[in-house]
Amino acid sequence: DTGVSQNPRHKITKRGQNVTFRCDPISEHNRLYWYRQTLGQGPEFLTYFQNEAQLEKSRLLSDRFSAERPKGSFSTLEIQRTEQGDSAMYLCASSLMQVGGTDTQYFGPGTRLTVL
Amino acid sequence: AQSVTQLDSHVSVSEGTPVLLRCNYSSSYSPSLFWYVQHPNKGLQLLLKYTSAATLVKGINGFEAEFKKSETSFHLTKPSAHMSDAAEYFCVVSGTYSSASKIIFGSGTRLSIRP
Repeated sequence: DTGVSQNPRHKITKRGQNVTFRCDPISEHNRLYWYRQTLGQGPEFLTYFQNEAQLEKSRLLSDRFSAERPKGSFSTLEIQRTEQGDSAMYLCASSLMQVGGTDTQYFGPGTRLTVL
Repeated sequence: AQSVTQLDSHVSVSEGTPVLLRCNYSSSYSPSLFWYVQHPNKGLQLLLKYTSAATLVKGINGFEAEFKKSETSFHLTKPSAHMSDAAEYFCVVSGTYSSASKIIFGSGTRLSIRP
């Protein structure tokens, strides 16, 4: 199966530590999205890439968060100096977006972050 | 601007009875609309999508949704609920290629199935 994969699936860290998550999109998908989902809520958009270019960042993405997609394939999301409020499920999605097409996003299983 | 409202936070039905999950949207242009399902501690799975073709859209697992422009609705239905349908369902509106291209999720509807 060549769906979206995310690693790790679970991460427990202490407040103040840095964490990094990885997302591998569906092969040849040009767009990659990151979302955050807290308990009982729908996913909230964080940022997205078209190929290697980061085209939009949400106001939710504080300066402690950084995302990269260096070769237009996999992406990493790093959170520095984690806070308890960062505890959430981090979801990655990818899509093949073409002019005039529909942005149908396919989601990975998510990385659940717990900050102690 | 776009928005999406899921009218029920929780719906409970008996196994074998019909399911109706309601979604209203707001968009200043022709939107793309989606329904996703999320089982506990899992990612989101695409159920179906509307992209300005047929207004009645059929999806996986027997679900379907009807786009009604006059009512700005995109309700999700299934004729007969199964225990495995118990999950969280999200209605989603998406912009066009030339827009900011983020998608807007509704707040979700939790579907419970009674035996």
